[in-house]
Amino acid sequence: QTVVTQEPSFSVSPGGTVTLTCGLSSGSVSTTYHPSWYQQTPGQAPRTLIYNTNTRSSGVPDRFSGSILGNKAALTITGARADDESDYYCVLYMGSGIWVFGGGTKLTVL
Amino acid sequence: EVQLVESGGGLIQLGGSLRLSCAASGFTVSSNYMSWLRQAPGKGLEWVSVIYSGGSTYYADSVRGRFTISRDKSKNTLYLQMNSLRAEDTAVYYCARTRYPDDFDIWGQGTMVTVSS
Repeated sequence: QTVVTQEPSFSVSPGGTVTLTCGLSSGSVSTTYHPSWYQQTPGQAPRTLIYNTNTRSSGVPDRFSGSILGNKAALTITGARADDESDYYCVLYMGSGIWVFGGGTKLTVL
Repeated sequence: EVQLVESGGGLIQLGGSLRLSCAASGFTVSSNYMSWLRQAPGKGLEWVSVIYSGGSTYYADSVRGRFTISRDKSKNTLYLQMNSLRAEDTAVYYCARTRYPDDFDIWGQGTMVTVSS
């Protein structure tokens, strides 16, 4: 059973930079997993921030960027703002028509 | 306007069945990959099932054999037939257009399914 791992919570100061990661319980994340990142605020559907590792979705500010760092996918937020306080989810494509989400990271901006 | 609207959720007894619908506007369901995803109360997102434009279907282990994804071309609607429902199936269910294999780019607002004993 493949588990996608994310930090349960993270805190960043306004204006600061934070990197959230997305790993595998066994093995390394690479571009072949087509990692994507979603932002979700309470009561709302998720919205795509990053897809295919590092492509920003339409309308997403360039403060958000995606990459592979070491053996994990990463989402970096620069110039953090109060309205970045949300839950962030990564998802990996496992092949054979299967996607697996990470458990999500609750980001606090304070 | 590109939009997805789910319906069909509600309160259902343990072991019961329910069919969710997802009506699309602004694009053609049958020409796209379409997925169902869910989120249990206070929990994270879980991918449930996908139907490819060619008709192939795939399921998460947690629902395989109990849930069936389908679509109706004439109604431009996606469905999820859920049988043998369990308490752990309680969740908000979302449909989403799937930009294979990258991401889920258009989401509905979700429909709540509560499985109760």
